[in-house]
Amino acid sequence: EAGVTQFPSHSVIEKGQTVTLRCDPISGHDNLYWYRRVMGKEIKFLLHFVKESKQDESGMPNNRFLAERTGGTYSTLKVQPAELEDSGVYFCASSQAPGWGTEAFFGQGTRLTVV
Amino acid sequence: DQQVKQNSPSLSVQEGRISILNCDYTNSMFDYFLWYKKYPAEGPTFLISISSIKDKNEDGRFTVFLNKSAKHLSLHIVPSQPGDSAVYFCAASTLYNFNKFYFGSGTKLNVKP
Repeated sequence: EAGVTQFPSHSVIEKGQTVTLRCDPISGHDNLYWYRRVMGKEIKFLLHFVKESKQDESGMPNNRFLAERTGGTYSTLKVQPAELEDSGVYFCASSQAPGWGTEAFFGQGTRLTVV
Repeated sequence: DQQVKQNSPSLSVQEGRISILNCDYTNSMFDYFLWYKKYPAEGPTFLISISSIKDKNEDGRFTVFLNKSAKHLSLHIVPSQPGDSAVYFCAASTLYNFNKFYFGSGTKLNVKP
């Protein structure tokens, strides 16, 4: 069974440009999460989808970030325009229905560098 | 402000000895605590968890201890092996938002052969 996959694995863009990150969750997982780790600090929650609906987007830094999950399958996270402080590793995770003992599976992450 | 803290950025242990990784939290609403392990260029992988109704959970060489009054948890690895060398993240969540994890900043464990 394929795990959570993220594309690209690395992205280097200039300040002001647009970048789109993609996440393919494990098939059948309705719950999809985006997290970000900046400069070796803690991994921070960005948002949570249940199927195609945004359940919780309280962690989104600002309106330069837009997440979508068309059809409840893969998700994209667009940063437009990118700023230097957006650099970090963006992780996607997916899980079945949240519940006691339900594990969230993480992708390998996309390392974004804004120069 | 960080609700889950790992105050030791790194830990070095000899193979065969015990590794103890510590984690503190501030939010008394957390009911579920997890440890994730991360190798370079990979995503975090689930290691072990504990609910707030327990004070200990064991899985093979890994044991997690929870001290709710102190808002502290620890991960014990016995015996430590070189393959355990990785970054360990402590995470917590609440019952009403189960998979919204609050992570610590990680502790890099190095197990020396």
